[in-house]
Amino acid sequence: DTGVSQDPRHKITKRGQNVTFRCDPISEHNRLYWYRQTLGQGPEFLTYFQNEAQLEKSRLLSDRFSAERPKGSFSTLEIQRTEQGDSAMYLCASSLEGATAAQYFGPGTRLLVL
Amino acid sequence: AQSVTQLDSQVPVFEEAPVELRCNYSSSVSVYLFWYVQYPNQGLQLLLKYLSGSTLVESINGFEAEFNKSQTSFHLRKPSVHISDTAEYFCAVTNNQGGKLIFGQGTELSVKP
Repeated sequence: DTGVSQDPRHKITKRGQNVTFRCDPISEHNRLYWYRQTLGQGPEFLTYFQNEAQLEKSRLLSDRFSAERPKGSFSTLEIQRTEQGDSAMYLCASSLEGATAAQYFGPGTRLLVL
Repeated sequence: AQSVTQLDSQVPVFEEAPVELRCNYSSSVSVYLFWYVQYPNQGLQLLLKYLSGSTLVESINGFEAEFNKSQTSFHLRKPSVHISDTAEYFCAVTNNQGGKLIFGQGTELSVKP
């Protein structure tokens, strides 16, 4: 049974460039979440999907951020015109539907914007 | 709105000593509570969760946490820690609507020989 996978694991980019991250959830999970974690802080919620529908977006998610889950399986998170403040670990998690369902996290994508 | 406060950013402890990592939450509705552990350079792993029923929940590696509604707390304890327990521990909350987790700032547990 494979867990949540994320690609790439590390990304270094220059300010102003666009980046895209991919997350593959656990296969039977219909919910998929994106979080951002900066050094010394807990993860902060960005957005989540149930199947292909994006159900909630955080105010942290500026217009430069967009997430998709077109077929209800994998998801992509794109950051346009990256800024140094976007440097962080981007975490993906998945779960079954329901308030009591535990979320299972991937290893994360570490982004460094120079 | 919900929030989580982890009162200690760092907890140094000697091997085989007991430890308590404190977590307090704020919410106007019923909550579900979780503890996650993050080992260096790894993703978050679910340690244990409180959903309902018995207020004392246990993990497979000897940790336990007790839900205290009157004190709005969900402290994590272990009677005897190992070097391998060195990690960052995060308390998190969600409500009966499901969806996003709200995390605390994390507690770095450092177990010394």
